[in-house]
Formats: sequence, structure tokens, C-alpha cells
Amino acid sequence: RKEVEQDPGPFNVPEGATVAFNCTYSNSASQSFFWYRQDCRKEPKLLMSVYSSGNEDGRFTAQLNRASQYISLLIRDSKLSDSATYLCVVNMYFGNEKLTFGTGTRLTIIP
Amino acid sequence: SQTIHQWPATLVQPVGSPLSLECTVEGTSNPNLYWYRQAAGRGLQLLFYSVGIGQISSEVPQNLSASRPQDRQFILSSKKLLLSDSGFYLCAWTAEMNTEAFFGQGTRLTVV
Repeated sequence: RKEVEQDPGPFNVPEGATVAFNCTYSNSASQSFFWYRQDCRKEPKLLMSVYSSGNEDGRFTAQLNRASQYISLLIRDSKLSDSATYLCVVNMYFGNEKLTFGTGTRLTIIP
Repeated sequence: SQTIHQWPATLVQPVGSPLSLECTVEGTSNPNLYWYRQAAGRGLQLLFYSVGIGQISSEVPQNLSASRPQDRQFILSSKKLLLSDSGFYLCAWTAEMNTEAFFGQGTRLTVV
């Protein structure tokens, strides 16, 4: 089993729709969780951190389910500019500075 | 505010030539530093990370090495490049454990 696993997609979604991604992680002791966005041929950029209680930033909602070991990202009212690859990132081990990236989910918003 | 610089942005090198990529961070002290590689259409692979000067952890055996000669400088090197070393190399930093990473703009390396 991969340490951090994502559905690679691609997800082709009409503008204005709601889309959700899940990401599973293998280590139940994982400490920190993030969603990153990567545009084509660019560096990944932090989209949002994922907190235990769930958190929202505008049209984006992130949730953590420790019991089932997954995190999710929900995008509402999707825009053309949301087209990108979304990377799930987990700090797997307490006291270890290593961040483990999923391979990413590719999203294309269709006009 | 903190910034991270990585250069060059693009590099084309012949097989067997040496490599040196440099990354520097400004506006913070004692950052954790990382080198990742992303092959075309693939995920990010952690190559090296460093928690302090002279401290390097290697994640995978390979044709590359890393050094941290100064607190905010991280260098990725190779003595002889292979075709398989082609990829998008990304430097990143974190302030402390369990915090988010910030990336440089990346170096797109093509070995020919």
C-alpha cells in the first residue's frame, strides 16, 4: 500500500459544479495534513492545511477522518481557474520532518 | 517575509556532465530544507532533506548528492548525469516540524 494515495483522475467537471477528492494515508500516527495545488510546469503551492475539526476557505473545504485515515477536499462553484493538479501531503511520522506527497489528482473545469 | 530562490530555471546538460543546483532561503533561520524530483506526469519524490548545516538525509539511492554548507543554502549535485536524472527539481523549506512546505520555482533539467 502506498503511504499516501490519491485517485489520479482526470476529473473533468463543468464550471459551477462541486467536486470532491479523497486521499488516504497509511500511517495512523500521521500528524499534519495539507492540500497543495500545482499548475502545469509550476511549483506546488499550499492551498490549505487540514485540521482535525475540518476547515473552510471560501469555496474550499478540507476535512480529516482519522478513523478511516483519509482527508478530503471539496470545491464548490468551481471556476475555470481551479483547473490544476491537487496534491495531498502528509507528515507521516512524529518527530520526522519528512513530508510525503500523493501523486496528485488532475482536475479540469470545462466551460 | 520569507522567500526561497532556486536556480537555474532551465538546464540542458549532456550525459556524463556534472550538475550543481542551488537553493537559498531568506527571512528565516534554521529552516528544514528539501530536494524533490518530479518526473514528467509523476508525483514528487523526496531526494534529500536537511534539518541543519551539514546534516543530510538521503531518501533513495541514486546518482545525486546534497550538501548544506550554510544555514539557508542547499545544493544538489551530481558528478556524472544520467539520462534518467531528467526531471523537474524542486527545493522546499519548512519552518519546523509538522508545518507546511514552501517551494522554489523549480529547475527543469533535461539530460541529453
